[in-house]
Amino acid sequence: DAKTTQPNSMESNEEEPVHLPCNHSTISGTDYIHWYRQLPSQGPEYVIHGLTSNVNNRMASLAIAEDRKSSTLILHRATLRDAAVYYCIVNAGNNRKLIWGLGTSLAVNP
Amino acid sequence: DADVTQTPRNRITKTGKRIMLECSQTKGHDRMYWYRQDPGLGLRLIYYSFDVKDINKGEISDGYSVSRQAQAKFSLSLESAIPNQTALYFCATSNGRGSPPYTDTQYFGPGTRLTVL
Repeated sequence: DAKTTQPNSMESNEEEPVHLPCNHSTISGTDYIHWYRQLPSQGPEYVIHGLTSNVNNRMASLAIAEDRKSSTLILHRATLRDAAVYYCIVNAGNNRKLIWGLGTSLAVNP
Repeated sequence: DADVTQTPRNRITKTGKRIMLECSQTKGHDRMYWYRQDPGLGLRLIYYSFDVKDINKGEISDGYSVSRQAQAKFSLSLESAIPNQTALYFCATSNGRGSPPYTDTQYFGPGTRLTVL
């Protein structure tokens, strides 16, 4: 099953861009890359997902390396509300379960 | 109204008691999941169900059982609660329809905080 590696924590200033990295060197060709985030005292929420091409939505952008062994979640202008734990996950093979790591705890300074 | 609801939101119980946590969803999704979250260990999958007649064990199913009463309802039971089952429990759903490669974006409930004394 594909595993991911993320930094334990990162810090940013409000209204600055944030780049959250993730390594997934064992990813297979049909595995999607998902990003979720968990705000304090809440369940995880979907942020974005992609397969090969970079993706944008109203919350964030996802940049996927050409070899798909790494990806970066980009928050274009961090707000205090973006302080959360961010999880990078890849599909776990044909049974399509998601395997969760410990994520990156993002702190946003005012 | 929330798409994925969990009851109760908080529960304190004693060792040896049988506990049921309930999950309901209005998203019309086929797939439902139960996770537990412990500090420092992240989210771990307990059981998952891809449709009403399909139940599968996850990473840590010992001491737990589940029931998929309907497409919209998935219950988790602790047959005889023990203190190390104290954790935050999340239910999630995903839409299993479509063709591979699958995205399986999951949608989570608000969680149940369970304390076993």
